[in-house]
Amino acid sequence: DAGVIQSPRHEVTEMGQEVTLRCKPISGHNSLFWYRQTMMRGLELLIYFNNNVPIDDSGMPEDRFSAKMPNASFSTLKIQPSEPRDSAVYFCASSSDRRQETQYFGPGTRLLVL
Amino acid sequence: AQSVSQHNHHVILSEAASLELGCNYSYGGTVNLFWYVQYPGQHLQLLLKYFSGDPLVKGIKGFEAEFIKSKFSFNLRKPSVQWSDTAEYFCAVSSNFGNEKLTFGTGTRLTIIP
Repeated sequence: DAGVIQSPRHEVTEMGQEVTLRCKPISGHNSLFWYRQTMMRGLELLIYFNNNVPIDDSGMPEDRFSAKMPNASFSTLKIQPSEPRDSAVYFCASSSDRRQETQYFGPGTRLLVL
Repeated sequence: AQSVSQHNHHVILSEAASLELGCNYSYGGTVNLFWYVQYPGQHLQLLLKYFSGDPLVKGIKGFEAEFIKSKFSFNLRKPSVQWSDTAEYFCAVSSNFGNEKLTFGTGTRLTIIP
């Protein structure tokens, strides 16, 4: 199994630009999570999907952030416009069983907004 | 709302020393508990998990954790650490009610001196 796949692994962009992060969950997993990791705030859950439907987006910082899951094998997290304070590592995770909740994490996307 | 406290922000030990990392959670109902590890430059990996049954849980690489319900604690232990255990360790909790949301602690950075 290839595990959770994220792209790009690194992204450097300028303030105001649109950024799109991509995630492919483990095949057969029906839940997908987006996290952000910073030194100041640690690991924060941004949003999660179950069966492609957003269940909880209370962690999405503001309207500049949006996430979609058009099908079971693909999700995007978009930031438009990006700001320097969005610089962080963004992790995607997936899990297979609603009650057992073992989440498998991807390698992350390291985002730097200048 | 759930919360997780990891009181040790940075722990430095010599090889072969014993390790105990504290984790306390706040939640009124039944919980699932997890320890994840993040090695330098890598993504989060599951070390061990507790859902029910024996409160002493054994994980990978010689780690174990004990769930003490009366103390709302889930401390991580290892009798003899190795240099390769240098990493950041995250405790996480979710409700056992069907909500998949994981709440992470702020993490403990462990440095092992050879």
